[in-house]
Formats: sequence, structure tokens, C-alpha cells
Amino acid sequence: KQEVTQIPAALSVPEGENLVLNCSFTDSAIYNLQWFRQDPGKGLTSLLLIQSSQREQTSGRLNASLDKSSGRSTLYIAASQPGDSATYLCAVQRDNNAGGTSYGKLTFGQGTILTVHP
Amino acid sequence: NAGVMQNPRHLVRRRGQEARLRCSPMKGHSHVYWYRQLPEEGLKFMVYLQKENIIDESGMPKERFSAEFPKEGPSILRIQQVVRGDSAAYFCASRSRFRTEAFFGQGTRLTVV
Repeated sequence: KQEVTQIPAALSVPEGENLVLNCSFTDSAIYNLQWFRQDPGKGLTSLLLIQSSQREQTSGRLNASLDKSSGRSTLYIAASQPGDSATYLCAVQRDNNAGGTSYGKLTFGQGTILTVHP
Repeated sequence: NAGVMQNPRHLVRRRGQEARLRCSPMKGHSHVYWYRQLPEEGLKFMVYLQKENIIDESGMPKERFSAEFPKEGPSILRIQQVVRGDSAAYFCASRSRFRTEAFFGQGTRLTVV
């Protein structure tokens, strides 16, 4: 059974700092890994999706890396801003067969609550 | 192309009543997933449906919960005889048959009083 763990559970940093959020998963047979952002009382916004064959993805100030063999991913946020304050969720899709297809079911971590203060 | 639409956004039910949560997938999407987020917990998979078929309901509680995705109309998550422990945010996600990336709705926040 896949388990996803995110560390730290909460993080508070001053504006402008670079920071790293960590995600680990127990079953390396994944199809892809996705990072989401969730604002209080809101839905999920997809930030980055990394296919199992990829090592990293970048979008603006965000960079996500994936080390499938060791079951780890990191989300790097450069030059953090107060608007980055949110809960960040990591989720993996299982590779359901040797052909590399997946039917889209996600297993989520508990999230990291990020607060960036001015 | 509107995103995944869930309604209502907020739902209050008394213990013992029924709750019906609706999810309209993105246009062209025939695959729907329901997830539940309990207070202070992560999102947990509940059920995966394609049009008129339940593909995987391994995350659904054995009693009181059911889901459907009819040929026409939205997907419905139905909770009968709600209890306080059912209070949570329920999220729906949809995808097309050609891609595995799913897109999430804004969720329905159910409060049982």
C-alpha cells in the first residue's frame, strides 16, 4: 500500500527566502507525481506534474525534482512571497502495469502548511 | 471551457438526513474521482467512476455512501443518514480518457449538525 509523507508539516519563513518542501513515497512503482497548492477553504490548484521518466519540472519560481528509485521528491520555491502562503500537497499516481499506464487515482500526503511573513 | 463544477459549495445537514453532492466534469471528460478531506487530515480517495460504471470503490465506506455517474448529467455522491463524522470537504476530479492528469473542483464542504 502506497504511503506518502511530507516534511515539514508546517513552515514559517520571512519573505524572500528560498525554501524546500519534501515528499517521500514508499512504493516506487509510480506513474507520475504531482504538487498541488490549496488555499484555506478552496480547491486544489495543480502546480507541477512530473512523469516517472522525468527528473524535474520548472514553472516560474517553482522547481520540483523526482528521484523515483529513492522514493523522494522536493519542491523548491525561490524568493518566497506572502502570496505563496498556502498548504502544499504532494500526490502520486500508481503505475498499474508494466506498460506504464495509470488510471489516475492519486495518493496524497498530509501537506505542508507554508506561511511567508512580510 | 468551464472547469470542474461542484455544487453546492457548502451544505449543512442534520444528523440522519441525506446529503447529495454533485459534480459536473469538464467538457469531454468521462472519468470522475471523488476524494474526502477530513478536518486536519489529507485527501483520501473514495471512488473512481466512468460513465455508467463504478471502476474502483475501494475507498468508500461500506455503508451509507454511494456514487453514480449516469450517461447524462453530473456525478452524484450520496450520503444517507449522515453523522457528525461525515463532516468534511468532498472534492471531485475529472479527466479525459486520453490523459491521466485529473482536474479538481472547488469542493463541497459538508457540515453535519
